[in-house]
Amino acid sequence: GDSVTQMEGPVTLSEEACLTINCTYTATGYPSLFWYVQYPGEGLQLLLKATKADDKGSNKGFEATYRKETTSFHLEKGSVQVSDSAVYFCALSAPGNQGGKLIFGQGTELSVKP
Amino acid sequence: ETGVTQSPTHLIKTRGQQVTLRCSSQSGHNTVSWYQQALGQGPQFIFQYYREEENGRGNFPPRFSGLQFPNYSSELNVNALELDDSALYLCASSPRVAGSTGELFFGEGSRLTVL
Repeated sequence: GDSVTQMEGPVTLSEEACLTINCTYTATGYPSLFWYVQYPGEGLQLLLKATKADDKGSNKGFEATYRKETTSFHLEKGSVQVSDSAVYFCALSAPGNQGGKLIFGQGTELSVKP
Repeated sequence: ETGVTQSPTHLIKTRGQQVTLRCSSQSGHNTVSWYQQALGQGPQFIFQYYREEENGRGNFPPRFSGLQFPNYSSELNVNALELDDSALYLCASSPRVAGSTGELFFGEGSRLTVL
């Protein structure tokens, strides 16, 4: 079945460091791919998305490129801030899904120190 | 635009009891999905409701059931609670339209503790 695998955390970085959180997926066809973020005490929020191969999603300085050949959707940011501390989830939506079912990775906790 | 709201935010139950969690979907969204997020894990899909009917279910036993109402709000019911049911229960809404990419809008969740 479809699945998402993320690099394990926690990841601890100093402010202004570069971030990469790896995400790979297994799915038939061409799923839509997402990064959701969960700040402490809050619900999940969509960070960025990509719906077809080679698409690049971007938001708040974060980027991720949909790589069909490597079945990956790695999250990157060039310079992290303390306010980026959160748990990041990679997720996919299977083709033909008309809303509702996302398959999530296990999450990667990011802690950014001043 | 009102977002997804859930109630209660926290609750404590004992084994064997029953619980009902409630969710109001975002304005204009006609599909509601429920997820279980155990501590330190990613959300797991429980089921989805569209037009007041269950439309897709994950790997959860029948004691997990739900309802959707004409105004698209929803309830999640769990019977015969077990300790492992302790988790954050997330409700998410989305518009069911052709070509939907599956983007979901989540509430802040209901934290259930089973003692």
